Amino acid sequence: GQNIDQPTEMTATEGAIVQINCTYQTSGFNGLFWYQQHAGEAPTFLSYNVLDGLEEKGRFSSFLSRSKGYSYLLLKELQMKDSASYLCAVRSGAGSYQLTFGKGTKLSVIP
Amino acid sequence: SQTIHQWPATLVQPVGSPLSLECTVEGTSNPNLYWYRQAAGRGLQLLFYSVGIGQISSEVPQNLSASRPQDRQFILSSKKLLLSDSGFYLCAWRKLGNNEQFFGPGTRLTVL
Repeated sequence: GQNIDQPTEMTATEGAIVQINCTYQTSGFNGLFWYQQHAGEAPTFLSYNVLDGLEEKGRFSSFLSRSKGYSYLLLKELQMKDSASYLCAVRSGAGSYQLTFGKGTKLSVIP
Repeated sequence: SQTIHQWPATLVQPVGSPLSLECTVEGTSNPNLYWYRQAAGRGLQLLFYSVGIGQISSEVPQNLSASRPQDRQFILSSKKLLLSDSGFYLCAWRKLGNNEQFFGPGTRLTVL
């Protein structure tokens, strides 16, 4: 089976750093994705990790440890517009491009 | 550049009525196409995906069906809607050789 866990909600202060964790247990692994979804809108792609380590992209970074079944998304210099849900998704199976999504973490950025 | 369209944006339908949601992609050819549903309190759930015209794979047995009559057109249908079909329906596409999927604007369906 596929199981992806993320915290339901988080709150952080404008200008701060926040780390959103994701753990997964899937039958096969072929990449982990992070998406951002503002309320009422479609998800937008943030990052993709398939090898262990940290991928940095501006204020956002994503980390993967395949042996631990663990990833995190790091958001630096938080802005009010970063208030959104952050979705962790795993692609399992070498020939499969289907993604299994977690329920998402709702991040609220406060002044 | 590539764009993805979905319509309608919102829909309110009575239980037992039929459904047809449409998704089209522009600016690319032979994309992989996906239908997801996002219900309240639940994660995005993959419903169908397609690797080519007329090729549909179903991930979850239900009263919904999908069709791909043209390369860049993906349709989600139902003959009789259930209350549990309410949700946010998202179409996504992936370019062959790339990893990320890109989502359309979605259709918010309410079944009453």
